[in-house]
Amino acid sequence: GAGVSQSPSNKVTEKGKDVELRCDPISGHTALYWYRQSLGQGLEFLIYFQGNSAPDKSGLPSDRFSAERTGGSVSTLTIQRTQQEDSAVYLCASSSDRVRHEKLFFGSGTQLSVL
Amino acid sequence: QKEVEQDPGPLSVPEGAIVSLNCTYSNSAFQYFMWYRQYSRKGPELLMYTYSSGNKEDGRFTAQVDKSSKYISLFIRDSQPSDSATYLCAMSAGAAGNKLTFGGGTRVLVKP
Repeated sequence: GAGVSQSPSNKVTEKGKDVELRCDPISGHTALYWYRQSLGQGLEFLIYFQGNSAPDKSGLPSDRFSAERTGGSVSTLTIQRTQQEDSAVYLCASSSDRVRHEKLFFGSGTQLSVL
Repeated sequence: QKEVEQDPGPLSVPEGAIVSLNCTYSNSAFQYFMWYRQYSRKGPELLMYTYSSGNKEDGRFTAQVDKSSKYISLFIRDSQPSDSATYLCAMSAGAAGNKLTFGGGTRVLVKP
């Protein structure tokens, strides 16, 4: 596709339910990142993939959060037993450049609301 | 204290004015500095990318980095209503795959 695609764009769930958020990066991009943006806050790093492996998971806030990437392409972020504090916009970004990886291209995000 | 500090604003200016934005940081390992623009309900898009200290100009945008003071700036000349957005600074130490550390963003409103 032309850009990073995320689905769903909005997700409303009840506390305690599990949710899956999907990211489809730009074709050919090897690096993929998940960030979280709470209301009025900057972006908080969650996890980084290079290909299918995740060398940096340091930003995942708890063991309720997990992510995987298959085929070096699509990634899924799963939040188990959601809590109200999980409400935020979850942003995915991808990059093609291993050296200057900082040039990230972001999707429009998934707005997660936990009631 | 956050690693990257940025005034949240809002910053309101008349059309045609110069917009001045800045961030301070504490981690001396940061070498790569970026400015992203984020419209409402959209993901951030990269505006400016600077390595180490110095100035960089691109059209109406100028980015400055002063590593000695741990201070970066973004200037927008001849501001337009379409520049109304949230501007986020971001930085990294530059190792392959190293995550970006973002400021909280400054909301800018350019009034016609």
